[in-house]
Order: sequence, then C-alpha cells, then structure tokens
Amino acid sequence: TQLLEQSPQFLSIQEGENLTVYCNSSSVFSSLQWYRQEPGEGPVLLVTVVTGGEVKKLKRLTFQFGDARKDSSLHITAAQPGDTGLYLCAGPQVNAGNNRKLIWGLGTSLAVNP
Amino acid sequence: EAGVTQFPSHSVIEKGQTVTLRCDPISGHDNLYWYRRVMGKEIKFLLHFVKESKQDESGMPNNRFLAERTGGTYSTLKVQPAELEDSGVYFCASSLRWSTPYEQYFGPGTRLTVT
Repeated sequence: TQLLEQSPQFLSIQEGENLTVYCNSSSVFSSLQWYRQEPGEGPVLLVTVVTGGEVKKLKRLTFQFGDARKDSSLHITAAQPGDTGLYLCAGPQVNAGNNRKLIWGLGTSLAVNP
Repeated sequence: EAGVTQFPSHSVIEKGQTVTLRCDPISGHDNLYWYRRVMGKEIKFLLHFVKESKQDESGMPNNRFLAERTGGTYSTLKVQPAELEDSGVYFCASSLRWSTPYEQYFGPGTRLTVT
C-alpha cells in the first residue's frame, strides 16, 4: 500500500523564520503534488514535481523532489502570516493506468505568527 | 472563470436519513472526482468520472453511496442511509480530460455531520 507521511504534523513559527516540511514514502511516485488548504476551502495546487532531483521555486517557496522519487520537501523562506495554512502532498497511485487516483498525506498545519 | 462549486457547504443529518451532495465542475472539465476526509485521517479518493462514465469507483466505501453524473456536467453523491462514520468533508475536484500529471482543481467541500 502506498503511503505518504508528512512531517511535522504541526508547526508554529514567527514571521520571518525559515521552515521545511517533508513528504516521505517507501514507494516511488511518478510525480508529487503540493497543495495548500485554508479553512473552509478546498486544496489549491501549488506545484507538481516530476523528475527525480527536480527543484521548483514559487516566490519564497522551494519544492524539491528526491532523487529516487520517494520523497519531497517544501522550504519556505522568510515566512509571512499569509503562508498560514495546511500543506498537503499527494501523488498518483502506482499502476493506476488510465485511472487518476491520488494518494494523500495527512498534511502539515503551519501557523505563522506576526 | 468560475471554479468548482459544491452544495451544500454544510449538512447535519440524523443517522438513517438520506443526503445528496452536489458538485459543479469547471466548465469543459471532463474529469470529475469525489474525495472524502474523515477527521484525523488523510483525504481519500472515492471515485472518478470521465464525462458521464464512472472510470474508477474503487474508493466508494459501500453500496450506501451512489454517485451520478448525468449528461457529463454536474455530479451528485447520495448517501442512503447515512451512518455515523460517514461524517467528514466531501471534496469534489475536476480537471481537463488530458491534463497531466493529475492536476486537479478542488471545490470548497461539503462538511457532512451525521448524528
């Protein structure tokens, strides 16, 4: 069974600090997606990483896909209160064929205090 | 362009009652997905439509759940009769037919509470 484990589960930091959250699996994924979810809303796609070792940047957010495509990290530089939210990683189930079933992590709940 | 919309946003029903959730995908999106998040657990896939056809319904918990997408536009998810363990947030998502890799747009969810 494919699983995605995210850590830490909760993180509370001060504005301006840096942080890294992790998404790990014992399984290989063809790609991983990172989403952010705010209260009362659905997940919003931030980025998709596809190639092992790939690094993608989205303003102050840096996403990395592990060389073996079993893990990914999200690094936020100089966090701001607007970064507060639930960060979720997800990836397509192996051997899903034409099906498009996503496997999800539990998420990291981030609070950035002013 | 309007995003994915879901109705209702909240529903509180008693065990044994019936509830129907509705999802309107982004116009032109052939793929439509239903997911559920139970408190303390990860988001779980329920099923996937391509237009009006069920492509994958392997995540449906049991036969108390019925999903339809008549005409390939909006979709409904009916729970009948509801049980306590059906409580959770039900998300709908949609994507273009050939979008890769698995980039889905989510609605705000319907929070279902079964008492």
